[in-house]
Amino acid sequence: QVKLLQSGAALVKPGDSVKMSCKASGYTFTDYIIHWVKQSHGKSLEWIGYINPYSGGTNYNEKFKSKATLTVDKSSSTAYMEFSRLTSEDSAIYYCASRAAMAYWGQGTLVTVSS
Amino acid sequence: DVVMTQTPVSLSVSLGGQVSISCRSSQSLVHNNGNTYLSWYLQKPGQSPQLLIYKVSNRFSGISDRFSGSGSGTDFTLKISRVEPDDLGVYYCGQGTQYPYTFGAGTKLELK
Repeated sequence: QVKLLQSGAALVKPGDSVKMSCKASGYTFTDYIIHWVKQSHGKSLEWIGYINPYSGGTNYNEKFKSKATLTVDKSSSTAYMEFSRLTSEDSAIYYCASRAAMAYWGQGTLVTVSS
Repeated sequence: DVVMTQTPVSLSVSLGGQVSISCRSSQSLVHNNGNTYLSWYLQKPGQSPQLLIYKVSNRFSGISDRFSGSGSGTDFTLKISRVEPDDLGVYYCGQGTQYPYTFGAGTKLELK
């Protein structure tokens, strides 16, 4: 069955960067794009962007273009998102999702930005 | 960006009852290829969102036929019949027609 397993929670300091992972299984990794979505506490969902694991091509929400970097490692079927220059506004749960219409979601990675 | 407006913000329902959630987009969601990429998701407390409906009215694998989606252009509706305890949570509509993809603010379904 399709599974997206995300890395564990992270506590980071303002100004630092964080890199989180999303390991896919149960399907051919290069067949479907991987989306990343932000959910701030108690709030709605924001689409950050997607990466095509086959080509490495990306599409970012302008709002996150200078903040997020999406990459993949095809050999391990893992997608990564690095978030840089973190502020308290970046404290949130970050999800990866894949397949058409974001049919499958990871369990989320909680990022807390605090000094 | 396409703004997705969901109403109501919250709903109280009795078990076995029926509810409707509305989702309106600020622009037509009809893609150049003729498809309308409007999806519905349910986020249960403490869980990730799960896909219920895609392309307006198609139920995702394993989703009960108590859930139905309808609409076109800019106006869409999710109906839930014979509400069960496992249906409670926050429902989101989302569009995948135009970049950036966007979601509604959510509708919280609670027990009366």
